[in-house]
Amino acid sequence: EAGVVQSPRYKIIEKKQPVAFWCNPISGHNTLYWYLQNLGQGPELLIRYENEEAVDDSQLPKDRFSAERLKGVDSTLKIQPAELGDSAVYLCASSPGRRAWTGELFFGEGSRLTVL
Amino acid sequence: AQKITQTQPGMFVQEKEAVTLDCTYDTSDPSYGLFWYKQPSSGEMIFLIYQGSYDQQNATEGRYSLNFQKARKSANLVISASQLGDSAMYFCAMRGAEGGTASKLTFGTGTRLQVTL
Repeated sequence: EAGVVQSPRYKIIEKKQPVAFWCNPISGHNTLYWYLQNLGQGPELLIRYENEEAVDDSQLPKDRFSAERLKGVDSTLKIQPAELGDSAVYLCASSPGRRAWTGELFFGEGSRLTVL
Repeated sequence: AQKITQTQPGMFVQEKEAVTLDCTYDTSDPSYGLFWYKQPSSGEMIFLIYQGSYDQQNATEGRYSLNFQKARKSANLVISASQLGDSAMYFCAMRGAEGGTASKLTFGTGTRLQVTL
């Protein structure tokens, strides 16, 4: 079974430029997460989707960040315009969301963004 | 609100020795789950072990065990017989039992483990 796939793995852009990250979760996983991981820190939730609905986006900076999961499968996270402080790793994760599920998340390898 | 605290920024252990990584937590949820993840330099978060707050016994998974002390609100990870491949960042995380906290993980700041020869 394929894991969570993210692209690109690395992205370098100049400030004020737009950037987008893509995530394809594990097949059948209804719940998808975008986490932000700053250097030396643990991941912090940006947004959580249940199918195509964003059910928790309270930590997403909506002035410059947007996300979509139009068909309830893959998802895109966009930043426009990027700022220097956005340099971080953007992790995507998914989970099956079953009632008996312990809560484990399955993560992709992340997209490392460097803003110059 | 949920909070995870990992007070060891870095740890060293000799190969084949055991090591304990500390984790304390705070939550108002009556039930919750505790997790440990490993993050090697490749960046992927790898699930290691899970402990439910009402589980009677401490969780074990191969060389990993979770020393769960509910009254102290601690969930330390014990790695036995360390291997060079265990060198990585280790994150403690928790989820709540109800509503939004049940569907997301809150992470600590991590501990970098270095296994030496």
